[in-house]
Amino acid sequence: EVQLVESGGGLVQPGGSLRLSCAASGFTFSSFEMNWVRQVPGKGLEWLSYISSSGSITYYADSVKGRITISRDNAKNSLYLQMNSLRAEDTADYYCARMGYDDSGHYKTAFDIWGRGTMVTVSS
Amino acid sequence: EVALTQTPGTLSLSPGERATLSCRASQSVSSNYLAWYQQKPGQAPRLLIHGISRRATGIPDRFSGSGSGTDFTLTISRLEPEDFAVYYCQQYGSSPRTFGPGTKVDIK
Repeated sequence: EVQLVESGGGLVQPGGSLRLSCAASGFTFSSFEMNWVRQVPGKGLEWLSYISSSGSITYYADSVKGRITISRDNAKNSLYLQMNSLRAEDTADYYCARMGYDDSGHYKTAFDIWGRGTMVTVSS
Repeated sequence: EVALTQTPGTLSLSPGERATLSCRASQSVSSNYLAWYQQKPGQAPRLLIHGISRRATGIPDRFSGSGSGTDFTLTISRLEPEDFAVYYCQQYGSSPRTFGPGTKVDIK
């Protein structure tokens, strides 16, 4: 079964750090681009970050640039999000999501696989 | 950055009715990379449509997408009870890969 499972969320004090993980299974992780998306409870979806299949290219949303770092370990089928200088407004569910491709391998098919999310609460 | 707006914010309909949801981009969407997702309370988003009009695997044919350039539409031909949810459009052709604010489809 194709699956993504996030972990690492929890309660952290303002100014603190947290490292989220996303474990992939059921597909060739090293062949796919990955993303992190968050959702404040009761609000909409916010794309945070992208990483290429090799890990050599990364992009970040302006709202979090400089405070987060996306990385991956293809040997461990894992995606990571290091978050520093956390603020109350970073309280949200954090999802990892796979960028799919069609059978040709050239056409992107959007975020076709999502994890169930991990909750991060920033509070003193 | 490609900003997306969605209208209406809330759509109140009855089962069996047709739902028409709109998404407008601030500039042309690159490579027609426009997607729609469905999200129910307590669940992760689920991909419905990619490439403006291509249904994702396992998505019923009552869901259809259309549009071009900057204006896009998700149509649910006949609402089933399980279709009452929040729907988001997203452009994934350029960075940042922005989402619209969502349209909630609730039961009238």
